[in-house]
Amino acid sequence: GNSVTQMEGPVTLSEEAFLTINCTYTATGYPSLFWYVQYPGEGLQLLLKATKADDKGSNKGFEATYRKETTSFHLEKGSVQVSDSAVYFCALSGNSGNTPLVFGKGTRLSVIA
Amino acid sequence: GAVVSQHPSWVICKSGTSVKIECRSLDFQATTMFWYRQFPKQSLMLMATSNEGSKATYEQGVEKDKFLINHASLTLSTLTVTSAHPEDSSFYICSARDSQISGANVLTFGAGSRLTVL
Repeated sequence: GNSVTQMEGPVTLSEEAFLTINCTYTATGYPSLFWYVQYPGEGLQLLLKATKADDKGSNKGFEATYRKETTSFHLEKGSVQVSDSAVYFCALSGNSGNTPLVFGKGTRLSVIA
Repeated sequence: GAVVSQHPSWVICKSGTSVKIECRSLDFQATTMFWYRQFPKQSLMLMATSNEGSKATYEQGVEKDKFLINHASLTLSTLTVTSAHPEDSSFYICSARDSQISGANVLTFGAGSRLTVL
């Protein structure tokens, strides 16, 4: 079945540091890939997505590229801010019909000033 | 953009009582909604798929008689935790997909409902 594996946290960075959160997946067919973010006390928000190989999703300075050859969708940001502190979830879904998302375990990021 | 509202955000109940959580799509119709459960410091576990006008589809290991799901309209799904026990304490999150939008399966999530059973 489909599964997502992401690096375990917590990750603690200083402000303006470079961020990478690794995510790899196992899936049949050609899934869509997502990164969701959960800020403290809030629900999940879609951060970015990619629907096919070599697509790059980007939002708020975050980027992730759909790499079919390595089955990866690593999240990167060149310069993190304190406000980026949150839990980040990598997820995938099939493209057929109303398919639920399969999530990774989440990576908690703490950015300190 | 699409908004999903969950109510209540927080609920504390006594053991043995039942609790209902509502999930509403505010500005779009959702023939399908998904209910997830999130344990502390863990990922989201899919509990069931809620289908408008028909029975929900439960994931393996989820008790359908304990977690009653009703999807009576295109904008409302409810999850009722029956005879709640302390081990049911968790963060319950619903999500929905706009039925009118084709393409990538983007889900909108509610803010979640934290249930504490005493």
